[in-house]
Amino acid sequence: DTGVSQDPRHKITKRGQNVTFRCDPISEHNRLYWYRQTLGQGPEFLTYFQNEAQLEKSRLLSDRFSAERPKGSFSTLEIQRTEQGDSAMYLCASSPGTAYSYEQYFGPGTRLTVT
Amino acid sequence: ELKVEQNPLFLSMQEGKNYTIYCNYSTTSDRLYWYRQDPGKSLESLFVLLSNGAVKQEGRLMASLDTKARLSTLHITAAVHDLSATYFCAPPRGSNYQLIWGAGTKLIIKP
Repeated sequence: DTGVSQDPRHKITKRGQNVTFRCDPISEHNRLYWYRQTLGQGPEFLTYFQNEAQLEKSRLLSDRFSAERPKGSFSTLEIQRTEQGDSAMYLCASSPGTAYSYEQYFGPGTRLTVT
Repeated sequence: ELKVEQNPLFLSMQEGKNYTIYCNYSTTSDRLYWYRQDPGKSLESLFVLLSNGAVKQEGRLMASLDTKARLSTLHITAAVHDLSATYFCAPPRGSNYQLIWGAGTKLIIKP
């Protein structure tokens, strides 16, 4: 069990560019969450997958954001036409569906800076 | 609107002192999670509180949950510098168990 991994760890991009982040959950965790955290604030929920199905999306997730989890394994989060307000830490978490605790395990995050 | 309020938001204290962080929430959740975050780092799970009256202890930290009052506390005993971090409480919402977060409590412990 190597934990949740995210790639890249840091991304600097110019406004208007598209970016894609990847999250590899803990093996056999069927629940996967994306959160966003800006400096000095708590995380905010973005979207949730159970296996390959995207079951919930926050209103924060504008049309420029899209997430996938093909085959129920890794997940990607794409932001199109980035804006400076998208600068944040993007956190991925996974959780085992069979454990009563539903505890979420977080990855190291991807820090996005839009210039 | 679902809310999580932590009190205080910032705490500076001396080593060896005791203090309590309070977490009030508006969801009807039967459970609550505490996480720790070091500057520039991700979130580390501290406690999983799964029922009313649950109490868990790990070293100098003890967490409790009162679901009827929608209140959780994180008590620090004889603080040491290594406990300096930001602490978040997070109750889940709905059947998907997405976490609802407050602004966190930034704790600075001075030697």
